[in-house]
Amino acid sequence: DTGVSQDPRHKITKRGQNVTFRCDPISEHNRLYWYRQTLGQGPEFLTYFQNEAQLEKSRLLSDRFSAERPKGSFSTLEIQRTEQGDSAMYLCASSFAGGTEAFFGQGTRLTVV
Amino acid sequence: AQSVTQPDIHITVSEGASLELRCNYSYGATPYLFWYVQSPGQGLQLLLKYFSGDTLVQGIKGFEAEFKRSQSSFNLRKPSVHWSDAAEYFCAGLTGGGNKLTFGTGTQLKVEL
Repeated sequence: DTGVSQDPRHKITKRGQNVTFRCDPISEHNRLYWYRQTLGQGPEFLTYFQNEAQLEKSRLLSDRFSAERPKGSFSTLEIQRTEQGDSAMYLCASSFAGGTEAFFGQGTRLTVV
Repeated sequence: AQSVTQPDIHITVSEGASLELRCNYSYGATPYLFWYVQSPGQGLQLLLKYFSGDTLVQGIKGFEAEFKRSQSSFNLRKPSVHWSDAAEYFCAGLTGGGNKLTFGTGTQLKVEL
């Protein structure tokens, strides 16, 4: 296992289009997190899963955003009707439940034009 | 609200000089604190973490950090900086249930040769 992987690494989309990102966590990890990082800022928490259950969503996660982790393995983050303000790096991380160390993927950089 | 603050947006040091990056926290109880490093276009790599016990913690790549409750600080240090240390550094704390991370805004480190 080579760590957390995210796909794609870069995505350019036109405003109003839908986009979907994928995250494959470290296989033994049952928690999976999504964060968003805008230029000049630290990552901000969006949502997390324990196994297939989505346990918490940030207020940052508007109704245009949806995340799934259907079999408790990989996760997808979809943004509908993208806006320029959605341009950011989307980071995925995974950990053991109760663990305190999260391992991050390399992120997906979204640019909305 | 629980938060971490990094007062320095940019820091420039000469290669071989010592480094100290500042982090202040605002938590009610003893926080779990972390330092992460992010190279351009990359995800986050954990440098070190503090949970309890010895207030001086050692990390990877020759970094260390000291937890000072009286000053609400968790500053990152390195005795001799290498050009490859140029990156962005984030201080973070664990927040609430689910072990979500709250990040500071980051400090961009530039190393002059």
